[in-house]
Amino acid sequence: AQSVTQLDSQVPVFEEAPVELRCNYSSSVSVYLFWYVQYPNQGLQLLLKYLSGSTLVKGINGFEAEFNKSQTSFHLRKPSVHISDTAEYFCAVSANQAGTALIFGKGTTLSVSS
Amino acid sequence: NAGVTQTPKFQVLKTGQSMTLQCAQDMNHEYMSWYRQDPGMGLRLIHYSVGAGITDQGEVPNGYNVSRSTTEDFPLRLLSAAPSQTSVYFCASSYKGGNTIYFGEGSWLTVV
Repeated sequence: AQSVTQLDSQVPVFEEAPVELRCNYSSSVSVYLFWYVQYPNQGLQLLLKYLSGSTLVKGINGFEAEFNKSQTSFHLRKPSVHISDTAEYFCAVSANQAGTALIFGKGTTLSVSS
Repeated sequence: NAGVTQTPKFQVLKTGQSMTLQCAQDMNHEYMSWYRQDPGMGLRLIHYSVGAGITDQGEVPNGYNVSRSTTEDFPLRLLSAAPSQTSVYFCASSYKGGNTIYFGEGSWLTVV
């Protein structure tokens, strides 16, 4: 069975500060990892995904994440956030690259203030 | 190319009523899934399908039925709606050999 734990339910940060949203996973099989963002009253948008290869994954909007197999983590980072990054962020794991049957974390609300 | 289409977008039901949330994709994707999103709970997998005629349960299948008679459609049925099923429902599809998941825009369901 697979599971995902997002370690922070809320992360408040000031504009232009760096941010890290933490995600740990557990799985007995190979994992494929995803980060999604959801803006208020909107659907899900893919930020980035780890399928294989380099453990540092770059995504849209200046976000990046690092896959750490030994620590079973996939933390999301951005060096300088903007007000427009305020949203809810979801980490997810799948047993296949096609993303069938995603298991999501409970989400982290990122609040960026000026 | 419409992608993943969910209907209806909004629905209010009375307790005990039945309804079907429709999900259709025009990309010939083998894989389709249904999720529900509740505050503080993230998205939870209800049912999924890896091809026509094949379905399986996810994390929270109770109270929901699915079938996959065609590749294009994956309807989610609530046979007797309960207030606990008030949620936002998302359908997703993907290609078996690919690595991109397509989500619908969501269906907001309220059970009173």
